[in-house]
Amino acid sequence: KAGVTQTPRYLIKTRGQQVTLSCSPISGHRSVSWYQQTPGQGLQFLFEYFSETQRNKGNFPGRFSGRQFSNSRSEMNVSTLELGDSALYLCASSLAWLRSPGELFFGEGSRLTVL
Amino acid sequence: AQKITQTQPGMFVQEKEAVTLDCTYDTSDQSYGLFWYKQPSSGEMIFLIYQGSYDEQNATEGRYSLNFQKARKSANLVISASQLGDSAMYFCAMREGEDSGGSNYKLTFGKGTLLTVNP
Repeated sequence: KAGVTQTPRYLIKTRGQQVTLSCSPISGHRSVSWYQQTPGQGLQFLFEYFSETQRNKGNFPGRFSGRQFSNSRSEMNVSTLELGDSALYLCASSLAWLRSPGELFFGEGSRLTVL
Repeated sequence: AQKITQTQPGMFVQEKEAVTLDCTYDTSDQSYGLFWYKQPSSGEMIFLIYQGSYDEQNATEGRYSLNFQKARKSANLVISASQLGDSAMYFCAMREGEDSGGSNYKLTFGKGTLLTVNP
């Protein structure tokens, strides 16, 4: 079955702009979470959505936001971009059933460069 | 304090040999899960193996096994018979609150270990 799809794969923005990244989860998966990966900070949790509701949020400023649609697709938005926002943004989906082993299936990421 | 510690920034192994990647964790939760992921240069995180804190047996998935020592709070990944395609970054991760009905899908990752398999 199709995996997690993230678009765009690569993008370049300038400081002050905003960006929207998209994630299509595996069919049937209702939980979508987002992670930021940078060389300095490593992998950090941004937020997680389940049934269009944000259930968990990491320690990021309000410039980082997200949403989930009724078909479980998710978008994240970063406004007023800063140089430090340059990163690989990874989306992961899971079944989110009770007491599942909880494997998270990741997409290949969207690599954002802020100039 | 770091919740997940991977003390080996880089490891080298000869093809067909076994290798152990270290991971220690810190949590006060009784119910938690430990994960290992592989990240090749393409960027995708590939799930390898999972161990729940209440699982008494060490998890195994093909050539991967997880050496879970609860009292020491360690969850080392063992890769047997290394292959050239195993060269990648390997991340250990933890999810706390496993008994909260599966509602906490936040993973905390270690810094990773870059494994290089030599022919």
